[in-house]
Amino acid sequence: EADIYQTPRYLVIGTGKKITLECSQTMGHDKMYWYQQDPGMELHLIHYSYGVNSTEKGDLSSESTVSRIRTEHFPLTLESARPSHTSQYLCASRGPLTNEKLFFGSGTQLSVL
Amino acid sequence: QKEVEQDPGPLSVPEGAIVSLNCTYSNSAFQYFMWYRQYSRKGPELLMYTYSSGNKEDGRFTAQVDKSSKYISLFIRDSQPSDSATYLCAMSPSGGSYIPTFGRGTSLIVHP
Repeated sequence: EADIYQTPRYLVIGTGKKITLECSQTMGHDKMYWYQQDPGMELHLIHYSYGVNSTEKGDLSSESTVSRIRTEHFPLTLESARPSHTSQYLCASRGPLTNEKLFFGSGTQLSVL
Repeated sequence: QKEVEQDPGPLSVPEGAIVSLNCTYSNSAFQYFMWYRQYSRKGPELLMYTYSSGNKEDGRFTAQVDKSSKYISLFIRDSQPSDSATYLCAMSPSGGSYIPTFGRGTSLIVHP
């Protein structure tokens, strides 16, 4: 069982609000990732981190930001939510060995009205 | 052209059937090939992992990689209703960040 947790599971919010999606893992993994997933579409990498104080943008252009102040915590923030941000957001982590598998959280389903 | 192509389905089969799920890819640098299973309202979990070409078997599941054709497959024998899920292929190159590129997933429904 993967020990990676995302909160909230579901979020419905109005346009213009600032939101933070939480992701925590208890496995001590240095590498963490945020993916965006729409129904029937590929997982798109939006941010990743290789350790504390390390953050990088992924392949998909995103208006979100991330921080990595602690190894176990990798929150994603949207300063001003818009309906186009409606999607499922998946957090994942990975161990230190080459190409170790990704452990995913259960996701946050975000709806912006 | 997308790097990884996967038919989204849905694929509906009766219980006990042999299921074949496939992906094609265009990046010849891909060396690691994975299949993730995703149940509704859950995150994906790794099901099978293969390095380079060949076959790998794990219980009812067999993964095949044909690098010459840039084609990978997942076979499920004696399919069960509990196998109903979305199956995502993923692949990454040897070297670099190893961050996998995912297909869009195939929705599988196994009906009793």
